[in-house]
Amino acid sequence: ETGVTQTPRHLVMGMTNKKSLKCEQHLGHNAMYWYKQSAKKPLELMFVYNFKEQTENNSVPSRFSPECPNSSHLFLHLHTLQPEDSALYLCASSAQAGLGGGQYFGPGTRLTVT
Amino acid sequence: AQKVTQAQTEISVVEKEDVTLDCVYETRDTTYYLFWYKQPPSGELVFLIRRNSFDEQNEISGRYSWNFQKSTSSFNFTITASQVVDSAVYFCALSEDRGFMYSGGGADGLTFGKGTHLIIQP
Repeated sequence: ETGVTQTPRHLVMGMTNKKSLKCEQHLGHNAMYWYKQSAKKPLELMFVYNFKEQTENNSVPSRFSPECPNSSHLFLHLHTLQPEDSALYLCASSAQAGLGGGQYFGPGTRLTVT
Repeated sequence: AQKVTQAQTEISVVEKEDVTLDCVYETRDTTYYLFWYKQPPSGELVFLIRRNSFDEQNEISGRYSWNFQKSTSSFNFTITASQVVDSAVYFCALSEDRGFMYSGGGADGLTFGKGTHLIIQP
């Protein structure tokens, strides 16, 4: 498998559920990112990981909890979400942090909170 | 703070017409990177181009060309002889160079514009 993969592609969850989004990159990159894409809003950076260390949390509510066990995998743990959290969640990776390199995106997980 | 503005929310043209997507950015840094991404209906963002702030040469790749002008803080994207397959949402993005002195190792998230929905009619 190549590129950046994300699972699941679609997720519907209630406000009291706990679920996790998974991202895996097969590009040998060292930096990984979570973005949120809501309707009629620009893509918003959520978290940045560089060599497994979180380097940026863009004022994201604590109901979103990221985890990066290694440079190839990134998770986003979700709990007690709100309907306004419904969005497309995109994962990306880049070769070397700090060099402004191109980020390669996965297909996204379409999340609906009911 | 950095900002990217794509003033054109939606553009509709007939196939084979040329179309230019505008992008204006704001940053206080002297070293930064600009990007264009394409998002087809499938949702996946496709990387098109990366340009650093020191390279103002225009670039052409097939039917695609990019015009970078630091004097006007613009990085416009032109599709020549558009095709129906070019229909998508196009995003311009900016990344500042944190440099290797940044404690976090310089990981750099992208700041995106709101995107331009391009519709190519047959």
